[in-house]
Amino acid sequence: DTGVSQDPRHKITKRGQNVTFRCDPISEHNRLYWYRQTLGQGPEFLTYFQNEAQLEKSRLLSDRFSAERPKGSFSTLEIQRTEQGDSAMYLCASSLGRLAGADEQFFGPGTRLTVL
Amino acid sequence: AQSVTQLGSHVSVSEGALVLLRCNYSSSVPPYLFWYVQYPNQGLQLLLKYTSAATLVKGINGFEAEFKKSETSFHLTKPSAHMSDAAEYFCAVSGTGSYQLTFGKGTKLSVIP
Repeated sequence: DTGVSQDPRHKITKRGQNVTFRCDPISEHNRLYWYRQTLGQGPEFLTYFQNEAQLEKSRLLSDRFSAERPKGSFSTLEIQRTEQGDSAMYLCASSLGRLAGADEQFFGPGTRLTVL
Repeated sequence: AQSVTQLGSHVSVSEGALVLLRCNYSSSVPPYLFWYVQYPNQGLQLLLKYTSAATLVKGINGFEAEFKKSETSFHLTKPSAHMSDAAEYFCAVSGTGSYQLTFGKGTKLSVIP
């Protein structure tokens, strides 16, 4: 069990550029989640996948954000036309998917995005 | 809708003293409740969770929490603080059939030697 990994760990970009983050979940986990955490706040839910299907999206996920999980393995989160307000830590988590709301979610170290 | 309120954004305790971090929740369905810990530059790690079994839940590193439905609370305690407990702690709630976690704003715990 190597845990949830995220790449890159840090990303600095200029406003208006597109960025893509990758998340590799724990191998046997079929649920994958994305959260966003800004300074002084708890993580906020963005979206989640059951295998390759994206089943829930938060209203925080504007049309500039898109997430995919091809083949139900790794996932990518893309932000188009970045804005300074997108600066945050983007956290990925995965879970086995057996206990519905009681599933333990295992979190990755996060990708810190800074938009200049 | 679900929400979590963590009272106190910053708590300081002396090494060896009792740790008490407060969490109150709001949920329209029977909740599942979680406490996570986040060390600097690391991801969140689950300390413990309540899933409608025993109301007193024991977790890792000597932490425990008690679910009190009448008070809508799930406070985290540890009898004796250790320097290594210094971190940020997050309370979170989810509901039956809901897979997303709703987090509080977090409480940063400082341990004074």
